[in-house]
Amino acid sequence: GQNIDQPTEMTATEGAIVQINCTYQTSGFNGLFWYQQHAGEAPTFLSYNVLDGLEEKGRFSSFLSRSKGYSYLLLKELQMKDSASYLCAVMDSNYQLIWGAGTKLIIKP
Amino acid sequence: DTAVSQTPKYLVTQMGNDKSIKCEQNLGHDTMYWYKQDSKKFLKIMFSYNNKELIINETVPNRFSPKSPDKAHLNLHINSLELGDSAVYFCASSPKLRELTDTQYFGPGTRLTVL
Repeated sequence: GQNIDQPTEMTATEGAIVQINCTYQTSGFNGLFWYQQHAGEAPTFLSYNVLDGLEEKGRFSSFLSRSKGYSYLLLKELQMKDSASYLCAVMDSNYQLIWGAGTKLIIKP
Repeated sequence: DTAVSQTPKYLVTQMGNDKSIKCEQNLGHDTMYWYKQDSKKFLKIMFSYNNKELIINETVPNRFSPKSPDKAHLNLHINSLELGDSAVYFCASSPKLRELTDTQYFGPGTRLTVL
């Protein structure tokens, strides 16, 4: 079966750095996405990785290791508005997005 | 300007009723999707629709049917609503079907409560 695992919840302090991990087992791989979802709102796109390595975009970076079936989202200089759920999703061989349950990130002052 | 819009935002109804949720995108995208997000926050794909090609998640009951009057609209019709249908339903769109880097743009969601 296809499986995406990420921690259910994480807590971090404003101004700090947090790393949210995602491991996956899917039938085929056509890229990994990270989305942000604030409570009661729709998911919004953050990043896409298809090659191994780190993609940096401002305060957010995403890393991928295809051989390990592993990715992480790194958030720097945390702000209160970063409190949200972060969803990892993998595009499988049928170009379908398989979604993780999301990691709820709580930022404390 | 709203890119992907859904109506209604909230829908409360009785078991056994039939209801529809509407979705429209003004992005000129070729592909539209319906997702169900349950209380555990899993996003489950229900349908993807591209140029009259419908891909159905086989786990979706046939009480659910997508209807696309044109490329910019994909409505979701649900027959004989059940308690387990209570969830948030998201419409999404993307430029092309089966392309890498294909970002999906989500509508605001419709919270369906079946009593």
